[in-house]
Amino acid sequence: AQRVTQPEKLLSVFKGAPVELKCNYSYSGSPELFWYVQYSRQRLQLLLRHISRESIKGFTADLNKGETSFHLKKPFAQEEDSAMYYCAPSSGNTPLVFGKGTRLSVIA
Amino acid sequence: GAVVSQHPSWVICKSGTSVKIECRSLDFQATTMFWYRQFPKQSLMLMATSNEGSKATYEQGVEKDKFLINHASLTLSTLTVTSAHPEDSSFYICSAGLGDSTEAFFGQGTRLTVV
Repeated sequence: AQRVTQPEKLLSVFKGAPVELKCNYSYSGSPELFWYVQYSRQRLQLLLRHISRESIKGFTADLNKGETSFHLKKPFAQEEDSAMYYCAPSSGNTPLVFGKGTRLSVIA
Repeated sequence: GAVVSQHPSWVICKSGTSVKIECRSLDFQATTMFWYRQFPKQSLMLMATSNEGSKATYEQGVEKDKFLINHASLTLSTLTVTSAHPEDSSFYICSAGLGDSTEAFFGQGTRLTVV
């Protein structure tokens, strides 16, 4: 079965501290992995995807197929990073399977 | 970029009435759209996959007679909540993909409150 685990429901860090949002997945085949972010009162939007290997807003995520993980990291958290973060695998034109999400709160 | 728009953004209706929510892809055609439901402080739960020109595919536990989905054109899918009850109050979100891309684009969501 397709499953995404985001173990932390809430993660609070101080501004400037490193942050890591964990994601483990169970998915048949070779899915593409995404991180989506939902800022307060805004729609869900793509943050980054593993195939692009980009750093978006200072965030990076490395796909570890052996551990089936796709943890999201940022070395220095900013207040504007406070949001809900969802990890999601997808394969082709299939619906995204979302984790339960992690609410990141960056404290000034 | 690809834009998905939902209408209305919020709606209040009386128990027993039906409510229609529209999801439009504004600058691209979407053969497939997805409908999600989000309860407060919870993640998005997939309700159904809307296929243009054919019947929607519903997830287990979602009542297809209660949540009617119509995808009559490549730019519009509608979700009708029939005979709404207070427990149907939720945030409904649609998404669509662009061609063969695996990236999903989301509507702004519709908050339904049934009183």
